[in-house]
Amino acid sequence: RKEVEQDPGPFNVPEGATVAFNCTYSNSASQSFFWYRQDCRKEPKLLMSVYSSGNEDGRFTAQLNRASQYISLLIRDSKLSDSATYLCVVNIGYKYIFGTGTRLKVLA
Amino acid sequence: GAVVSQHPSRVICKSGTSVKIECRSLDFQATTMFWYRQFPKQSLMLMATSNEGSKATYEQGVEKDKFLINHASLTLSTLTVTSAHPEDSSFYICSARDTSGAPDTQYFGPGTRLTVL
Repeated sequence: RKEVEQDPGPFNVPEGATVAFNCTYSNSASQSFFWYRQDCRKEPKLLMSVYSSGNEDGRFTAQLNRASQYISLLIRDSKLSDSATYLCVVNIGYKYIFGTGTRLKVLA
Repeated sequence: GAVVSQHPSRVICKSGTSVKIECRSLDFQATTMFWYRQFPKQSLMLMATSNEGSKATYEQGVEKDKFLINHASLTLSTLTVTSAHPEDSSFYICSARDTSGAPDTQYFGPGTRLTVL
């Protein structure tokens, strides 16, 4: 079983839609959690950290469920510019483990 | 967010040559930096963890004699791909760990696209 698993997608959604991604992790000792966004042929950029209490940043909401070992990302009112690959990242000790990413395409 | 630079952004070299890539944290000190490799349509694969003032920790399957890492200061780590071959062609990305906030967060350099002919 992979340490961090994501549905690779692609998720094709119309502009204005709400879309949600999940990510599961296998190591219960995981300490911190992040969502990164990666555009084609670019480096990943931090979107948001994920806290147990859940956190929101504008149209983006992240949730962490330690009991079930998954994190989620919700994007409301999708924009064309949200099209990218969304990477789930889990920190265990000194390492950061990446999921394979979920591709999102927002269609006009 | 914090800024990490990487140089060069793109390099084309002949088979058998060595290529050095620099990674710098510009506005914070990073005792730990990471080197990743990403092949097309795949996720980032951690190659090694670079620790300032000590030897790098390599992931399984990564040859330490081929991928030389030096982390001589709190703001600079270098990766040297020695005797590069076409199969080493990839997107190499570094990141630096910022421990000044909570949680610790890593910030990525813009990547180096290596093409070995």
